[in-house]
Amino acid sequence: EAQVTQNPRYLITVTGKKLTVTCSQNMNHEYMSWYRQDPGLGLRQIYYSMNVEVTDKGDVPEGYKVSRKEKRNFPLILESPSPNQTSLYFCASSLIAGGLVPGELFFGEGSRLTVL
Amino acid sequence: QQQVKQSPQSLIVQKGGIPIINCAYENTAFDYFPWYQQFPGKGPALLIAIRPDVSEKKEGRFTISFNKSAKQFSLHIMDSQPGDSATYFCAASWVTGTASKLTFGTGTRLQVTL
Repeated sequence: EAQVTQNPRYLITVTGKKLTVTCSQNMNHEYMSWYRQDPGLGLRQIYYSMNVEVTDKGDVPEGYKVSRKEKRNFPLILESPSPNQTSLYFCASSLIAGGLVPGELFFGEGSRLTVL
Repeated sequence: QQQVKQSPQSLIVQKGGIPIINCAYENTAFDYFPWYQQFPGKGPALLIAIRPDVSEKKEGRFTISFNKSAKQFSLHIMDSQPGDSATYFCAASWVTGTASKLTFGTGTRLQVTL
């Protein structure tokens, strides 16, 4: 089954304790991206990657890091989480085709993070 | 210029009604306008999309109307059903440098009642 898998789905942590949210896709997509969803603010892009070893900032990258060492994986790293990073996070992937990047985005089911 | 303004924030309609969700933009470089549907506890999924060279696109009960001169586009759901209750996001894409970028509206929470 084609899917984007995120882990963990739920996490409660404390300020300053480093954490990683993993994302893996099995569709051989070149493009991967992280979004955060907050009430009234919609989906905001954190980082994206056009391919292995190619990453770039989205609209709200502060406090986050990413890496793309393999095509299928795109982990999101919070080196020193703060309460304002409490949010619902989505990983998404897409083919790069037809001059449209991203094309149809396939989203994971989300990771709800609470930073105390 | 990168924003897409979406309204209303929430919407309640009765079964069979026609909810309409509106989006407006300023950046005339936008060239692709998708709508995503998100059910509670799930990630968004592509519902329907339109290019600015057409004024309307229908897929089943879902229709996008596009007004290029007004820089507005909207989603209509015909004969709405309780199963359509979800959050809907409009989005817009434009080319920058060697890639396109996609920006989302703030979402509309739709509830269809019996």
